[in-house]
Formats: sequence, structure tokens, C-alpha cells
Amino acid sequence: ETGVTQSPTHLIKTRGQQVTLRCSSQSGHNTVSWYQQALGQGPQFIFQYYREEENGRGNFPPRFSGLQFPNYSSELNVNALELDDSALYLCASSSGQGNEQYFGPGTRLTVT
Amino acid sequence: AQSVTQLGSHVSVSEGALVLLRCNYSSSVPPYLFWYVQYPNQGLQLLLKYTSAATLVKGINGFEAEFKKSETSFHLTKPSAHMSDAAEYFCAVSQLYGQNFVFGPGTRLSVLP
Repeated sequence: ETGVTQSPTHLIKTRGQQVTLRCSSQSGHNTVSWYQQALGQGPQFIFQYYREEENGRGNFPPRFSGLQFPNYSSELNVNALELDDSALYLCASSSGQGNEQYFGPGTRLTVT
Repeated sequence: AQSVTQLGSHVSVSEGALVLLRCNYSSSVPPYLFWYVQYPNQGLQLLLKYTSAATLVKGINGFEAEFKKSETSFHLTKPSAHMSDAAEYFCAVSQLYGQNFVFGPGTRLSVLP
């Protein structure tokens, strides 16, 4: 059984650009949540997808958007990147709403 | 709105000493509570969770935590620190088990030889 995987591991973007981060959920999991972890801080909830529908959103602007695919993998898209978007982006999957979340290793995004 | 505070952004203990990491939460109803550990350049690993069963919860790697409703606390302890315990520790709360976690700011644990 493979765990949660994320790609890429690291990437560097320029302010104003767009970025797509990817997450493959653990086998059998249909729920994916995304978190932003700024340096020295705890993770902040961005949004959650359950069976391809957004199912809750944190205090993030609309330029943060996402998708979940039929195989339950997910993408996080960020438009018009800002310097403050530099962070570790974590994906977590679970086997349903209300179940334990398993985290991936994260994608480190640097915006210059 | 829920919030989580972790007293002490950095805690240092000697190898073999007691580890105590503090977590307090604010919630209108008893929440679900979690402790996660994060090693450098890695994701989060669940140490233990409280889901309204026993108030004393045992987790992996010898860690345990006690839920005290009257104090709105969920402090993490380990009787004897090991060098491999050096990491960042996060307390998290959720009103619905596993959904929409609110994390604390984290406590970095250093273990001195």
C-alpha cells in the first residue's frame, strides 16, 4: 500500500506566475485536504475535496483553487503568485469525511 | 472559531529526561485532538489522537497525552527523551474527526546529549 505522494518536491516561481501542485492519495482514500505551512508556523487549512467536490474551505483567496479527479488524486492551483505564497504545501488523504488524515511529504514552493 | 496554543516555541531537554509539550485549545464543544510530529523536510506523522474515548491516550514512540476538559488542555509527554525525538511537534483540533484541522504554531523539541 503506497502512501500519499506529492509532486514536485521543490519548485521556484516568479511573482505573478501560476503554479500547479499534485497529490496522489493513499489507496482507498476518497478525501483530500490541502494545507499551507509557512516557515516556522503550523499548517493552515486551504480546502478539502470529497468525491471530486470541494467540501470545505479555509481563509484563502479565490486564486487558490483545486481539483479532484475520478481516481481521487488532486491538484492545487495558485494564480498570480505572491511572495507570501512561499511555503510548504501539504496534502492529506483520508478514507472519508471524518476519518484520520495521512499526510504527504509536501511541496516546497519558493516565489521570488 | 477554534484555536490552538502551544506554550513554548522551543523546548530543550536532556537525553533521558521527561518531555512535556503543552497544548491548549479553545472550542465551544469538546473537540477531537491530535498530536503530529514533523521531521526536517518531511510531512506530518500522527503521534496520537483523542476521540472522546479514554482521556489518557497512548501513541507511538512512547508518547502519551491526557485530555483535561476543565483545563482545555492536551499536553504531550514522554518519560524519557531520546535523541531521535528531536523534531517539530504540532497539536491540532477538529470539531469533526479528521476534517478541517486547526493546527497550533508548533514546538521545536531539542534533545541534548
